[in-house]
Amino acid sequence: EPEVTQTPSHQVTQMGQEVILRCVPISNHLYFYWYRQILGQKVEFLVSFYNNEISEKSEIFDDQFSVERPDGSNFTLKIRSTKLEDSAMYFCASSAGTVNTGELFFGEGSRLTVL
Amino acid sequence: GENVEQHPSTLSVQEGDSAVIKCTYSDSASNYFPWYKQELGKRPQLIIDIRSNVGEKKDQRIAVTLNKTAKHFSLHITETQPEDSAVYFCAASSTGNQFYFGTGTSLTVIP
Repeated sequence: EPEVTQTPSHQVTQMGQEVILRCVPISNHLYFYWYRQILGQKVEFLVSFYNNEISEKSEIFDDQFSVERPDGSNFTLKIRSTKLEDSAMYFCASSAGTVNTGELFFGEGSRLTVL
Repeated sequence: GENVEQHPSTLSVQEGDSAVIKCTYSDSASNYFPWYKQELGKRPQLIIDIRSNVGEKKDQRIAVTLNKTAKHFSLHITETQPEDSAVYFCAASSTGNQFYFGTGTSLTVIP
């Protein structure tokens, strides 16, 4: 069964450093997403991406965040200058289309710890 | 934007009993309501979903009901088993690009 894969599984960084989280969505999917889950809390939407551009983003997704699809398979989330409160599990997800055409498939997550 | 509330936050049931988790939403434009199960340290996985043109959907021991007038939907698990123990999240979406999740329910099934 096809899966969304994410790397790294865990990253520890110093406050103020840049972090790039990588994702390989399911190959025939068209919509890509990043979600964040602070320990013990709900899954929060960050951004959705379609046709090589951001289609929606939340208020959490401020100027320190950016997303990119640098080639045909990878989808990355960059955090420019990490803060302590960025510590969370970051889930990448993909879907085949809109609500009428497919479910959301999540990756295993990348746990970010900012010290 | 959409606001999804979920209750209860924790739920303990005896094995074999039923479990019910309820969610309410605020945006009447929401038309897709998935439920995700997240086992400890793992990714959320879709277990069942319902669309706004349907009132109830069942898949073996799991069922979801939707009341669009009242803007609430519920997950029902019958004949619970220890492997049902997990955190369950409801979600709502109107656009298909942004999913709003509830705060999660930690279900414990006691053998």
